[in-house]
Amino acid sequence: QLQLQQSGPRLVKPSETLSLTCTISGGSFSTRDNHWGWIRQPPAQGVEWIGSIHYTGNTYYSPSLKSRVTISVDTSKNQFSLKLNSVTATDTAVYYCARRGAPGYSYDVWGQGTLVTVSS
Amino acid sequence: DIQMTQSPSSVSASVGDRVTITCRASQGIRSWLAWYQQKPGKAPKLLIYAASNLQTGVPSRFSGSGSGTEFTLTISSLQPEDFATYYCQQVNSFPITFGQGTRLEIK
Repeated sequence: QLQLQQSGPRLVKPSETLSLTCTISGGSFSTRDNHWGWIRQPPAQGVEWIGSIHYTGNTYYSPSLKSRVTISVDTSKNQFSLKLNSVTATDTAVYYCARRGAPGYSYDVWGQGTLVTVSS
Repeated sequence: DIQMTQSPSSVSASVGDRVTITCRASQGIRSWLAWYQQKPGKAPKLLIYAASNLQTGVPSRFSGSGSGTEFTLTISSLQPEDFATYYCQQVNSFPITFGQGTRLEIK
């Protein structure tokens, strides 16, 4: 059974880089047609798609975050990662990793979520 | 970007009621729409994919319909565990976008 386990700092200082990693177990990053994504949810607000990485390595980003976001993969560790630079308090949110795959290409498996607070 | 608009933003209902939530896309997305349920402190849970397909393990009282720009999620007979926030999401094209959410509350 596919599971996603998130790790990374929960407190980041303003102007620094937020870094999170999602470790895949019970499956492989390289499984055909899978997209691996990051989604966030500010406190008491709706959900926002940040971006995703295809099993081919192609990346796709939200236009509003594109200048600050990098999603990458380490296939040797079966992990994919999020980096968001130059963070401000508005980046405080619960961050989730998730998998999109067939059928339907919706996010059917999610990580546990990580509340990242941007504060000095 | 494709904008997703849900209505209503919140709804109050009682156990046993039938509830319908609507989601409209700013442009056609064929059937590339999903519905999620989220409870406090939890990740969203996939209920419906490709507009009308029930995700494995989801109770049959949930159903989805629609194509193009207008979609609905129906809960045929509300159960206590259904009180939550519901989101629609389009996966037709990048960037992927979500609706703003519909909060389903107990009357």
